Amino acid sequence: LAKTTQPISMDSYEGQEVNITCSHNNIATNDYITWYQQFPSQGPRFIIQGYKTKVTNEVASLFIPADRKSSTLSLPRVSLSDTAVYYCLVGDGAAGNKLTFGGGTRVLVKP
Amino acid sequence: DSGVTQTPKHLITATGQRVTLRCSPRSGDLSVYWYQQSLDQGLQFLIQYYNGEERAKGNILERFSAQQFPDLHSELNLSSLELGDSALYFCASSAGQGRSGNTIYFGEGSWLTVV
Repeated sequence: LAKTTQPISMDSYEGQEVNITCSHNNIATNDYITWYQQFPSQGPRFIIQGYKTKVTNEVASLFIPADRKSSTLSLPRVSLSDTAVYYCLVGDGAAGNKLTFGGGTRVLVKP
Repeated sequence: DSGVTQTPKHLITATGQRVTLRCSPRSGDLSVYWYQQSLDQGLQFLIQYYNGEERAKGNILERFSAQQFPDLHSELNLSSLELGDSALYFCASSAGQGRSGNTIYFGEGSWLTVV
C-alpha cells in the first residue's frame, strides 16, 4: 500500500496558480494517482486521475514524473471557492487494497 | 451529485444505542466503501465490499459491522455507541474492486452525533 505525504496547508491568492505535491515513494506498478477535493461537511469530490506524464481536464492538471514517486496537482487561477482540503490517493484495489487517504492539504485562497 | 445516496443525513442518538446507516451506490457500481471522518480529521477507511463480499477491512471497531446486500446497497451498523463515535460517515462506490484507474465516488455522508 503506497503511503502518501502532502503538505499540511497552503495559502494562495485569487487568480494565482496553486501547485500541491504529493510524495508516494513506494508506488506500485499498477497504482493510479487520484486527487480529491473536500469542502467542510461534504463528501470528497473527484478532481483528476493519472498514471504517468500529464493529465489535464477542465479544472486541473496532474503532473507525474517518470519515476512516479510523486505527483503535482495544479489548480490554475484559483478563486475563493477553491478553498478546501485536497487529498492525494494512490492505490491498487486488487486483493483488498484499503484505499487509505493521507492527511490532505488544506488550501486557503485569499482575496 | 455523485450518484451515491446515503441516509439518514443527520442522526442524533444516545450513548449505548445502536444505529444503522444506509448507502445506495451509483448505478452499476459493485464496490462499496465506508469511511469515518471525525471533526477536523482525515478520512479513516473502515471497510470495503465487492458484490456482496467483504474485500478489505481497515481499523473498524468490533462494535461496528457492515454488509452489502444482493441489490448492492450497503448498511453500516454501529452499536454500543460512545461519544467518540460522533463523526461523519461516508459511503463511496466504484465500478470494480477499487482497481487501478477505478475512481471511487463519495456520497454526502451521514452525520452522527452521540449525546
